[in-house]
Amino acid sequence: RKEVEQDPGPFNVPEGATVAFNCTYSNSASQSFFWYRQDCRKEPKLLMSVYSSGNEDGRFTAQLNRASQYISLLIRDSKLSDSATYLCVVNPGYKLSFGAGTTVTVRA
Amino acid sequence: DAGVIQSPRHEVTEMGQEVTLRCKPISGHDYLFWYRQTMMRGLELLIYFNNNVPIDDSGMPEDRFSAKMPNASFSTLKIQPSEPRDSAVYFCASSKTSGVPYEQYFGPGTRLTVT
Repeated sequence: RKEVEQDPGPFNVPEGATVAFNCTYSNSASQSFFWYRQDCRKEPKLLMSVYSSGNEDGRFTAQLNRASQYISLLIRDSKLSDSATYLCVVNPGYKLSFGAGTTVTVRA
Repeated sequence: DAGVIQSPRHEVTEMGQEVTLRCKPISGHDYLFWYRQTMMRGLELLIYFNNNVPIDDSGMPEDRFSAKMPNASFSTLKIQPSEPRDSAVYFCASSKTSGVPYEQYFGPGTRLTVT
């Protein structure tokens, strides 16, 4: 079983829509959780950390469910610039385990 | 501030040749990571260093791969001899113990093609 599993998508949504997706992780000892964003042919960049109580950053909301071992990301009022692959990342230490990514395409 | 710097950005080489990838981490960062990304396998951690010391190289695919970090501002990943299946994008990333834990900053990557 992979350490981090994500629905690869793609999620094709119109501008202004809300899109949400999850990832699951296998290591219950994981302490930190993140969403990274990767644009086509670019490096991954940290989008946001995920805290136990859930957190928002502008149009982005992340949730953590430790009992069920999943993390979610919700994007409100989608913009064309949100089109990217979103990588779910967990770690029990300084090594990060990356999911394969969920592709989101926002269309005009 | 300069981010993680990698060179070359693109490398095309023939099977059997030696390939050396280079990375300069962000100044002040004490962790350095080498990753490989392919469509089939996604992003894989190859090796990481803490204070220039290799901590975990369990992701290094085989003896053809080696990595060094002679000082805090430079690291290399070497493949000798290279094979077509090594074709991938190789990323270097760095992070620091203080600040936001585990937040890694990635370089732009080296796109390697072995023919």
